[in-house]
Amino acid sequence: SAVISQKPSRDICQRGTSLTIQCQVDSQVTMMFWYRQQPGQSLTLIATANQGSEATYESGFVIDKFPISRPNLTFSTLTVSNMSPEDSSIYLCSVEAQGLGGELFFGEGSRLTVL
Amino acid sequence: ILNVEQSPQSLHVQEGDSTNFTCSFPSSNFYALHWYRWETAKSPEALFVMTLNGDEKKKGRISATLNTKEGYSYLYIKGSQPEDSATYLCALGDSNYQLIWGAGTKLIIKP
Repeated sequence: SAVISQKPSRDICQRGTSLTIQCQVDSQVTMMFWYRQQPGQSLTLIATANQGSEATYESGFVIDKFPISRPNLTFSTLTVSNMSPEDSSIYLCSVEAQGLGGELFFGEGSRLTVL
Repeated sequence: ILNVEQSPQSLHVQEGDSTNFTCSFPSSNFYALHWYRWETAKSPEALFVMTLNGDEKKKGRISATLNTKEGYSYLYIKGSQPEDSATYLCALGDSNYQLIWGAGTKLIIKP
């Protein structure tokens, strides 16, 4: 299993500002995943963060809007840049503790409201 | 584009009653089917990962079945309790290990 600490748990942000979400895992993992859930929608994968290389972004997500850092095997950050009300979502980080295809472990999520 | 459908979108169940809901998915490109429970203000928690047609898994009062040929999975909760109130998510794992998520079934247990 893996225990993931994510912060902030929630925030209210002003339009045009940026916010960085942090994710700390209690064990070393190769890949960390960043998800978003907009109200009433499915979980959507934003990007996969590998240590030592640039993150791999899914269709519809770009590095300028969602820059990701992965400085080591236990930590990652996701920044939501130049926020608009459409960015109001729950953002989750997760890891696969048992290799590809195994169950995911999640942080508690960061609920962002953009005014 | 693969699509995972969950029904119903929400469900109110009397405490003590049993209930079930559905996850439908295209049967091609199937690799695994995941079920997660997501309680408010908590992390989503894995319930089951199923890979074989006909798989049945059980954890306490919760069980799940899988039919990969017709493309559906059922999640059953026996004797619902207030702590079962949560959103239940399913996700289809394809052959590239990508997960495609359903929108979830929100279960509310009425005391």
